Amino acid sequence: GQNIDQPTEMTATEGAIVQINCTYQTSGFNGLFWYQQHAGEAPTFLSYNVLDGLEEKGRFSSFLSRSKGYSYLLLKELQMKDSASYLCAVRDRNKLSFGAGTTVTVRA
Amino acid sequence: SAVISQKPSRDICQRGTSLTIQCQVDSQVTMMFWYRQQPGQSLTLIATANQGSEATYESGFVIDKFPISRPNLTFSTLTVSNMSPEDSSIYLCSAETGTGYEQYFGPGTRLTVT
Repeated sequence: GQNIDQPTEMTATEGAIVQINCTYQTSGFNGLFWYQQHAGEAPTFLSYNVLDGLEEKGRFSSFLSRSKGYSYLLLKELQMKDSASYLCAVRDRNKLSFGAGTTVTVRA
Repeated sequence: SAVISQKPSRDICQRGTSLTIQCQVDSQVTMMFWYRQQPGQSLTLIATANQGSEATYESGFVIDKFPISRPNLTFSTLTVSNMSPEDSSIYLCSAETGTGYEQYFGPGTRLTVT
């Protein structure tokens, strides 16, 4: 089975940094994804890690440790538009299993 | 990347009826999927839509309730059959292009069953 855990909510101030952690226990592993979902909209792809280490894409970075079953998404220089739900998802063969999502609220 | 459209965007249906949701991709894709997202919850995979063969359903989802078609590499439909209020949810289509493993999602269909 799949077990993917992430915090339910986080709040941060505009311009700050927020780190969203994700731990997983899955029967198979072919990569870990982060998606952003604004209320009422479809998820949009942010990042993909298949090897250990840090992947940086602009203000967003994602880290993976396969041995620890752990990933984090780092959001830097937070903007109001970053207020959204962030979903951690693990790929097993060709299927994605999603965590419950972390709602990030950015305050002025 | 891929641009995905879904029809209808939303619908209100009576219990006992069926609704077919269409998913159209702007390019040929290798894999297509159907998800359900209930209010305030994350995405649950219903099935993988296989081109030219029967869909592969996840535990808890059956073909009689959620028949799926995928006649070609750019189009798929999901039917929600004999609906009950518990089927009220957002249904999302997604696709993998084959050039990477990320999935691209359609805007979703918001279904309310009364």
